[in-house]
Amino acid sequence: GAVVSQHPSRVICKSGTSVKIECRSLDFQATTMFWYRQFPKQSLMLMATSNEGSKATYEQGVEKDKFLINHASLTLSTLTVTSAHPEDSSFYICSALWTGNPEAFFGQGTRLTVV
Amino acid sequence: AQSVTQLDSQVPVFEEAPVELRCNYSSSVSVYLFWYVQYPNQGLQLLLKYLSGSTLVESINGFEAEFNKSQTSFHLRKPSVHISDTAEYFCAVSKNQGGKLIFGQGTELSVKP
Repeated sequence: GAVVSQHPSRVICKSGTSVKIECRSLDFQATTMFWYRQFPKQSLMLMATSNEGSKATYEQGVEKDKFLINHASLTLSTLTVTSAHPEDSSFYICSALWTGNPEAFFGQGTRLTVV
Repeated sequence: AQSVTQLDSQVPVFEEAPVELRCNYSSSVSVYLFWYVQYPNQGLQLLLKYLSGSTLVESINGFEAEFNKSQTSFHLRKPSVHISDTAEYFCAVSKNQGGKLIFGQGTELSVKP
């Protein structure tokens, strides 16, 4: 199957700093990428949908100025958590797919801890 | 709007016993259905999917799920579980090709020796 690589797998940052998470499709061109967050023992909540070359579409309640998403190429999307706070600590997961394929492929996830 | 309900948050079973993880969905349009498995601190792996055609779908590791349109269900079953099946299982639905996934709350399957 197609491979999606997410980096880093784990990051610890200080409160007030920004963190960038990368999501790469390694063997296909991802026309659409999705970003999810998952709190412990909970399900995945969609944060935003990004299409290559256009602005991301954010779900209700997700602050677009805090969670900056860039999808500048067909193989890379980035999520930047700006001015991170401890409540932003979570597991962030990306997925990617190409047009016409209903199956999304998931990255390994990034454990963000803000101290 | 679509929604997905996984009726059991935790399912403890003994090794080699059968298991069923329940999933019900609601949607006013046709949907695609998926089961994913998540091991601790890892991303999601696709177990199986229903897009169209045969309502019974199977995975390579012995799991199967049946799409039941009248009951709006997509329950996951395995006739004999292994210790290695211990993980979190998520049912998900999308309403069109390339659409976003709506996830259920997850079911923690715990297989005991």
